[in-house]
Amino acid sequence: GENVEQHPSTLSVQEGDSAVIKCTYSDSASNYFPWYKQELGKRPQLIIDIRSNVGEKKDQRIAVTLNKTAKHFSLHITETQPEDSAVYFCAAFSGGGADGLTFGKGTHLIIQP
Amino acid sequence: DADVTQTPRNRITKTGKRIMLECSQTKGHDRMYWYRQDPGLGLRLIYYSFDVKDINKGEISDGYSVSRQAQAKFSLSLESAIPNQTALYFCATSRGSHNEQFFGPGTRLTVL
Repeated sequence: GENVEQHPSTLSVQEGDSAVIKCTYSDSASNYFPWYKQELGKRPQLIIDIRSNVGEKKDQRIAVTLNKTAKHFSLHITETQPEDSAVYFCAAFSGGGADGLTFGKGTHLIIQP
Repeated sequence: DADVTQTPRNRITKTGKRIMLECSQTKGHDRMYWYRQDPGLGLRLIYYSFDVKDINKGEISDGYSVSRQAQAKFSLSLESAIPNQTALYFCATSRGSHNEQFFGPGTRLTVL
């Protein structure tokens, strides 16, 4: 099955700086890569996703890049703000395996004032 | 607003008891999922369903069973709960595959 590795597990950045979270996946058949944000005590919510036919996608301060050859994808948050503090999960959806998401273990992003 | 709901939100039970967690959705989605979240382990897929007649095992189905009673309802059962099933359980829905999954608020289960 699919295996998703996510780094770092904790990331602390100064407010206004950029944050980058990286994930690798194992199944070359995976073709959909969402990122979820989970605030303390809340449910995960999609913030951005990318499909395997696209190399980069941007939505305001958030961007995701995908390198299919290397099987890795990254989340980039620019001009970080206090409300960006949360746990972020990457995930991969295999085209040929179980029809559910395989998640990374999460990154706790801390925005320092 | 269309939503995904879960009951109960919190449950404390004892080892060996049978427990049912329920999920309902008003989004009109065909696909429903059950995930388990443990600290430091992310979310892991337990079971998923494409429609009422289709149930599939996920990564960690042992010790769990599910029932899709209707398009809008998907229940997760622990036949004989054990302490290592203590976790936060999330239900999710999507329209088709490879699309955004919408999560319920979660059920925090503690097995003593």
